[in-house]
Amino acid sequence: EPEVTQTPSHQVTQMGQEVILRCVPISNHLYFYWYRQILGQKVEFLVSFYNNEISEKSEIFDDQFSVERPDGSNFTLKIRSTKLEDSAMYFCASAPPDNLDTQYFGPGTRLTVL
Amino acid sequence: RKEVEQDPGPFNVPEGATVAFNCTYSNSASQSFFWYRQDCRKEPKLLMSVYSSGNEDGRFTAQLNRASQYISLLIRDSKLSDSATYLCVVQNTGTASKLTFGTGTRLQVTL
Repeated sequence: EPEVTQTPSHQVTQMGQEVILRCVPISNHLYFYWYRQILGQKVEFLVSFYNNEISEKSEIFDDQFSVERPDGSNFTLKIRSTKLEDSAMYFCASAPPDNLDTQYFGPGTRLTVL
Repeated sequence: RKEVEQDPGPFNVPEGATVAFNCTYSNSASQSFFWYRQDCRKEPKLLMSVYSSGNEDGRFTAQLNRASQYISLLIRDSKLSDSATYLCVVQNTGTASKLTFGTGTRLQVTL
């Protein structure tokens, strides 16, 4: 069964550094998402992406964040200057064209900002 | 008021028990409803969608009451493998729009 994949599984970085989290959505999916989950808290929406544009973004997704689909398979989330409070699990998700209400999640990248 | 509210639990039940989780949501415009399951430090996985008519998948039954903005999940004959956090999730109007998650209810099934 096709799956969403994410790399790396764990990223440790120093405050102020830039990080890029990578996702490979399921191949025929058209809608892509990033969510995050701070330890012990709920899953929170960051951004959705369709047709090479941001469809929707949350208040969390400020100027420090950006997303890109650099080629036909990868979907990336960049944090320009990481803060301690960016430490969280970051989940990528994608939705198929024939069932747009169903989002499939990747295994996540655990980001630790020191 | 939180957008999606759940009792955090934990619910500790013996194997074979029936357990019910409840959830309320604040946005009456919400369109789609789901229960996801999340194991410790893993990604959320779709358990089932929830429809106004109610729906059942094996030991799991989900109900939606739009008038009360209330969603429930019933698990019958609990198994040890059901131990996880159950996330109530709503999706507002608009194609493929974002999911809004509750904080989750933790279930621990014991021998």
